[in-house]
Amino acid sequence: DTGVSQDPRHKITKRGQNVTFRCDPISEHNRLYWYRQTLGQGPEFLTYFQNEAQLEKSRLLSDRFSAERPKGSFSTLEIQRTEQGDSAMYLCASSLSRAGYGTDTQYFGPGTRLTVL
Amino acid sequence: LAKTTQPISMDSYEGQEVNITCSHNNIATNDYITWYQQFPSQGPRFIIQGYKTKVTNEVASLFIPADRKSSTLSLPRVSLSDTAVYYCLVGDSGYSSASKIIFGSGTRLSIRP
Repeated sequence: DTGVSQDPRHKITKRGQNVTFRCDPISEHNRLYWYRQTLGQGPEFLTYFQNEAQLEKSRLLSDRFSAERPKGSFSTLEIQRTEQGDSAMYLCASSLSRAGYGTDTQYFGPGTRLTVL
Repeated sequence: LAKTTQPISMDSYEGQEVNITCSHNNIATNDYITWYQQFPSQGPRFIIQGYKTKVTNEVASLFIPADRKSSTLSLPRVSLSDTAVYYCLVGDSGYSSASKIIFGSGTRLSIRP
């Protein structure tokens, strides 16, 4: 257990429905990342937050995707009008960013597996 | 954009030392090299990070030559529980760089009894 939790762990939905995932990072971590991972591939970056500010979004994040991190604590990732191609594992990670300490060590949650029927 | 190349898969036996090499020919001056391990249905887990020469912790060693265009993760005396996918990442922690940290497809390591 890394200290990062995600909810739900599994989600099955029908095409066209909206889904929302939650991530609770390690409490003192100021950065939070979302990734998507499909079978046999490594995690693909979606977006990340520095505190409550969303600083980067991947082009993979279409208009149907939105992420928030109110008050710089937990984060939610919403997918609207889901498509079968959205089926994947959605991973959340958090880190403590400190200048001069190399690349942040990211602590990953267990992921939410989404299946779109 | 620092891209990495690593073997798709490797096999070894319990008790052996395993070395996984990663190529990163266009690594930038500010980039660090980080390795993660991932088991099925779990998120990746940090193993080790380095900038140059050699880094060692309780689970692995990381060897980085002077030109930094490659790195080698060394796992001493592997066990069955080391069967996992190993990712080599190159990047820095600048504010605009998170999206440039690419996991790639990783190396699938299989350990046999």
